[in-house]
Amino acid sequence: QSVLTQPPSASGTPGQRVTISCSGSSSNIGSKLVYWYQQFPGTAPKLLIYRNNQRPSGVPDRFSGSKSGTSASLAISGLRSEDEADYYCATWDDSLSGWVFGGGTKLTVL
Amino acid sequence: QVQLVQSGAEVKKPGASVKVSCKASGYTFSTYGINWVRQAPGQGLEYMGWISAHNGNTNYAQKLQGRVTMSTDTPTSTVYMELRSLRSDDTAVYYCARDDCSSSTCYIGDYWGQGTLVTVSS
Repeated sequence: QSVLTQPPSASGTPGQRVTISCSGSSSNIGSKLVYWYQQFPGTAPKLLIYRNNQRPSGVPDRFSGSKSGTSASLAISGLRSEDEADYYCATWDDSLSGWVFGGGTKLTVL
Repeated sequence: QVQLVQSGAEVKKPGASVKVSCKASGYTFSTYGINWVRQAPGQGLEYMGWISAHNGNTNYAQKLQGRVTMSTDTPTSTVYMELRSLRSDDTAVYYCARDDCSSSTCYIGDYWGQGTLVTVSS
């Protein structure tokens, strides 16, 4: 059972906009910055969004992050087949004094 | 370029210990901390802890307190993660990941090792 709650799966067709939610509490998302990672099978995760809504260089602007209260969201617009991957949210948790991850969302491009 | 290169796969028996290394290059080693994250087969990411490459300070996940030790060897720019009293549910890919820092906030950044598969089986 992950501290942060994500839907296990999401899907969309090419060109669509998809959002992935991440729900937490006051001890984590509610008071901390949120990060998103993308992971392809057999490879290490890649940082996609940092500090709630900032994109590292090289990440397309089709990816965007937002946060409101104790929830955060990752939006992917103009969906492409190469976006098919697992997506994880993460943040610091004051109660646990450590980083916590969501359970991950498997994105399928139909 | 920044690289984190981890040691190879390990097979251990229940109750044994494993020590995984993570050799850093391409940046000033002492500037950034290193995190350890593991992923059981078909499962999500789990934070294990962090070590400062500057002074060796550590922060371990509560779940692993007492079983995990992280250490550094500055002359070789290498970080180690040792996990003791291994159980079958410790079977996972273990990743090291460097901190990135922005506006005085550090986080698990974009430089990860390639992962080390640790299999615990009798």
